[in-house]
Amino acid sequence: NAGVMQNPRHLVRRRGQEARLRCSPMKGHSHVYWYRQLPEEGLKFMVYLQKENIIDESGMPKERFSAEFPKEGPSILRIQQVVRGDSAAYFCASSPEHAYEQYFGPGTRLTVT
Amino acid sequence: AQSVTQLDSQVPVFEEAPVELRCNYSSSVSVYLFWYVQYPNQGLQLLLKYLSGSTLVKGINGFEAEFNKSQTSFHLRKPSVHISDTAEYFCAVSKNTGNQFYFGTGTSLTVIP
Repeated sequence: NAGVMQNPRHLVRRRGQEARLRCSPMKGHSHVYWYRQLPEEGLKFMVYLQKENIIDESGMPKERFSAEFPKEGPSILRIQQVVRGDSAAYFCASSPEHAYEQYFGPGTRLTVT
Repeated sequence: AQSVTQLDSQVPVFEEAPVELRCNYSSSVSVYLFWYVQYPNQGLQLLLKYLSGSTLVKGINGFEAEFNKSQTSFHLRKPSVHISDTAEYFCAVSKNTGNQFYFGTGTSLTVIP
């Protein structure tokens, strides 16, 4: 059983470009979570999704950030018009329904130049 | 709201010595507690979790943690560390009514040969 997959592992974007981060949850998992880890900091919750639904986006910045988890395909975290402050590691986690632990992917390290 | 405090940002320890990584949390509701380990350039791996029952929880790689409700703590311990334990350790809590995790800022454990 493959774990949580994230791609790309490393992404470099110039200021003003768009970044798309993908997350494929573990097989059988219907819940996806996105976290951001800034240098020297812990993980900060961004958004929690189920298939075709955003359950909790209280941690998402109000502008430029969006997330989706379509019926088919991976979950996508989209950052429009990236700025240097968006440089961070973005982690995706997944869990089955009614579970209390989350399984993390290897992360995507976004660098904005 | 929930919050997690990891008091030590860096802990150096000699090989085969014992170690304790401290974690305190604040919450107005019952919580679940977790410790994750992050090796360089990798995602988070679950070490152990407390959901209910015995307050002493045993995890992988010889780690254990004790839930102390009166002190709102969940300290991680290992009686004898190995070089391979060098990593970043994160304490996390989640409300037992929801799926959102709150992470501490992490403790960098360095095992010295």
